[in-house]
Amino acid sequence: DGGITQSPKYLFRKEGQNVTLSCEQNLNHDAMYWYRQDPGQGLRLIYYSQIVNDFQKGDIAEGYSVSREKKESFPLTVTSAQKNPTAFYLCASSKGAEADGYTFGSGTRLTVV
Amino acid sequence: GQNIDQPTEMTATEGAIVQINCTYQTSGFNGLFWYQQHAGEAPTFLSYNVLDGLEEKGRFSSFLSRSKGYSYLLLKELQMKDSASYLCAVLDSNYQLIWGAGTKLIIKP
Repeated sequence: DGGITQSPKYLFRKEGQNVTLSCEQNLNHDAMYWYRQDPGQGLRLIYYSQIVNDFQKGDIAEGYSVSREKKESFPLTVTSAQKNPTAFYLCASSKGAEADGYTFGSGTRLTVV
Repeated sequence: GQNIDQPTEMTATEGAIVQINCTYQTSGFNGLFWYQQHAGEAPTFLSYNVLDGLEEKGRFSSFLSRSKGYSYLLLKELQMKDSASYLCAVLDSNYQLIWGAGTKLIIKP
């Protein structure tokens, strides 16, 4: 079955460490997105990519980095420069056709300890 | 700025009907989505409206008025499994999704 896979589901990081969240899709979608979700707030866009080897900053890109070397993969690195990284991170993909909306991964909950 | 407003929380009774409202002010409009999200899980697609009017899909219906910047999601014959957050999102002129904070729906027996 086609879908989008995020791993790990739970991640603990010590302060000052970088950590990478994985996102893989086999839906043949061109566009991929990373969102951050905090309690009581809407999804906030971190980075997005509409094509391989190209990506754009979203609203809250500071302290994060991404790569898009393959169509299927869009990993997110949370760097030590991100001051408040504890959150629920969601990866999504879309064909680009508006009515189809986005397909989401199951999310990664990152906690800084 | 861009803004999407939804009530923070609503409570309804099993078997009843509930309407969740969403108002928006965005730079351009290319459609409005409703998603359902159970706690700790990914959002799942419910509906998409781009023209004014009501779209019905089983127990769920979604309405759009572009002139009023307004949408609602109507849930009928509520079941306990409908307890979740409901997210309203608008596709703006750059085809980026702008998200509301979500409405937490609590269903009581």
